[in-house]
Amino acid sequence: NAGVMQNPRHLVRRRGQEARLRCSPMKGHSHVYWYRQLPEEGLKFMVYLQKENIIDESGMPKERFSAEFPKEGPSILRIQQVVRGDSAAYFCASSPLASRDEQYFGPGTRLTVT
Amino acid sequence: AQSVTQLDSQVPVFEEAPVELRCNYSSSVSVYLFWYVQYPNQGLQLLLKYLSGSTLVKGINGFEAEFNKSQTSFHLRKPSVHISDTAEYFCAVSGNYGQNFVFGPGTRLSVLP
Repeated sequence: NAGVMQNPRHLVRRRGQEARLRCSPMKGHSHVYWYRQLPEEGLKFMVYLQKENIIDESGMPKERFSAEFPKEGPSILRIQQVVRGDSAAYFCASSPLASRDEQYFGPGTRLTVT
Repeated sequence: AQSVTQLDSQVPVFEEAPVELRCNYSSSVSVYLFWYVQYPNQGLQLLLKYLSGSTLVKGINGFEAEFNKSQTSFHLRKPSVHISDTAEYFCAVSGNYGQNFVFGPGTRLSVLP
């Protein structure tokens, strides 16, 4: 059973470009979570999705950030018009049940905005 | 709202010495508690979790943690550390209604030869 997959592992974007981060949950998992880790900081929750539904987006910045988890395919975290402050590691996690159970983390995507 | 405090941002310890990483939480509802480890440039790996039952939880790599409800703590311990235990350790709490995880700021454990 493959683990949580994230791609790309490293992404470099210039200011103003769009960044698209993909996450494929573990087989059988229908709950996906996105977290952001800034340098020297812990993980901050961004958004919690189930298939075709956003359950909790309380950690998402109000502008430029969006997430989706379509019926088919991976979950996508999209950042429009990136700025230097968006440089961070973005981790996706999945779980078979709601988040009271453990979450399985992907290796992360390290976004660098130049 | 839930919150997690890890008082020690960095813990240096010599190889084969015991270590305790502290975690305190606050929550108005029943919680589930977790410790994750993050090695450099990698994702998080679950060490152990407390959902219910025995308050002493044993995890992988010789780690254990004890849930203390009265002190709202979930400290992580290992009786003898190895160089390979050098990593960042995160305590996390989740509620029982499908809420997201709340992570502490992390403790960087450095095991010295």
